Amino acid sequence: DTEVTQTPKHLVMGMTNKKSLKCEQHMGHRAMYWYKQKAKKPPELMFVYSYEKLSINESVPSRFSPECPNSSLLNLHLHALQPEDSALYLCASSQGSGGSQETQYFGPGTRLLVL
Amino acid sequence: AQSVAQPEDQVNVAEGNPLTVKCTYSVSGNPYLFWYVQYPNRGLQFLLKYITGDNLVKGSYGFEAEFNKSQTSFHLKKPSALVSDSALYFCAVRDLYRQGGKLIFGQGTELSVKP
Repeated sequence: DTEVTQTPKHLVMGMTNKKSLKCEQHMGHRAMYWYKQKAKKPPELMFVYSYEKLSINESVPSRFSPECPNSSLLNLHLHALQPEDSALYLCASSQGSGGSQETQYFGPGTRLLVL
Repeated sequence: AQSVAQPEDQVNVAEGNPLTVKCTYSVSGNPYLFWYVQYPNRGLQFLLKYITGDNLVKGSYGFEAEFNKSQTSFHLKKPSALVSDSALYFCAVRDLYRQGGKLIFGQGTELSVKP
């Protein structure tokens, strides 16, 4: 089973709202990732957690705040977003610490619209 | 700098014909290469990867890819295309200069298979 689940599927929020995206995997993977994807463009890495610790932050604005409460769960907290933040947000996981040979398995994504 | 290129934005194929989606890479050291497919409004699905060993890699849904070190290419192929193969395809290479499993994606190739 290589399933990564994400909720909600769709989210509409105003620029003053606070919302959270949730990602879950039960494959025993220890690395989890957040990506942002604009339409028909490649995904852009935002954050990587390895063994529940933040290992990569790709200079993402502070209005995006990741959290890894346990090895199965990854959240992305959103606050004071801008319309240009509207995108598909993808979560992924891989088996170990994010090593070079590991395959990343992606969830279906949350489509976010910021008004 | 490490990079991956997909020289064709779009590939059109008739159903039943063979298909090729091209990918070339530039890395220092041994490349770890991946192919993903994205259907409309979905996340990325892993197709196959090359780490080491046999240059012909077989993957999901009848796809295969040939690693060619001298031409620095990793083209995705399928002997007989299906209409359901129509999707966006991404080639990716692992960033070996960064710990944490960052993938460097190509710009994507949109495959259209017509009946």
